[in-house]
Amino acid sequence: DAGITQSPRHKVTETGTPVTLRCHQTENHRYMYWYRQDPGHGLRLIHYSYGVKDTDKGEVSDGYSVSRSKTEDFLLTLESATSSQTSVYFCAISEEVFNTEAFFGQGTRLTVV
Amino acid sequence: AQKVTQAQTEISVVEKEDVTLDCVYETRDTTYYLFWYKQPPSGELVFLIRRNSFDEQNEISGRYSWNFQKSTSSFNFTITASQVVDSAVYFCALQETSGSRLTFGEGTQLTVNP
Repeated sequence: DAGITQSPRHKVTETGTPVTLRCHQTENHRYMYWYRQDPGHGLRLIHYSYGVKDTDKGEVSDGYSVSRSKTEDFLLTLESATSSQTSVYFCAISEEVFNTEAFFGQGTRLTVV
Repeated sequence: AQKVTQAQTEISVVEKEDVTLDCVYETRDTTYYLFWYKQPPSGELVFLIRRNSFDEQNEISGRYSWNFQKSTSSFNFTITASQVVDSAVYFCALQETSGSRLTFGEGTQLTVNP
């Protein structure tokens, strides 16, 4: 199994509070991704990173920011959590950007009340 | 824009039946990649297969087989002699070379009953 750890695994937070999710990898892969999974939508890309300090937006990036100060860590921050951000969040890593599979973490279930 | 459609939201079969999960994609790229992932009840996503657009050979891996047809933009997944452990949500995904992100279908919930 690919070494990807997401923390926390579960979190309940209040509307308007900031929340940070952490993804840690031990594979030294260059590319890291944050997805959210919602019923009826499959998985949608929030942000991704192609190296330390190099990040870009995905298709549902509004209300989220990311940071990558080390190869192994990719942080996702909800600046001011809203109920629409209640979701399951997955981190993924890949060695290359194309023609290679992405390996996924176990997911973080976030509930915003 | 890239798009993946998994028209079957839920499928229920009895153990040992064969089942095919459909995946239809849309892309303007001539080079692209297709994937299948499995999400068992435990929640993690498990990679099953990757196929690039230039390789239309069908693939078989044990009870799993994949049928890639560019002419119909389909990448279907068949499980032969299904087992209860095959119960999961299965996602098809597409990656274009003009972008880098994976676009997932909505998933098909497969339930295999004993």
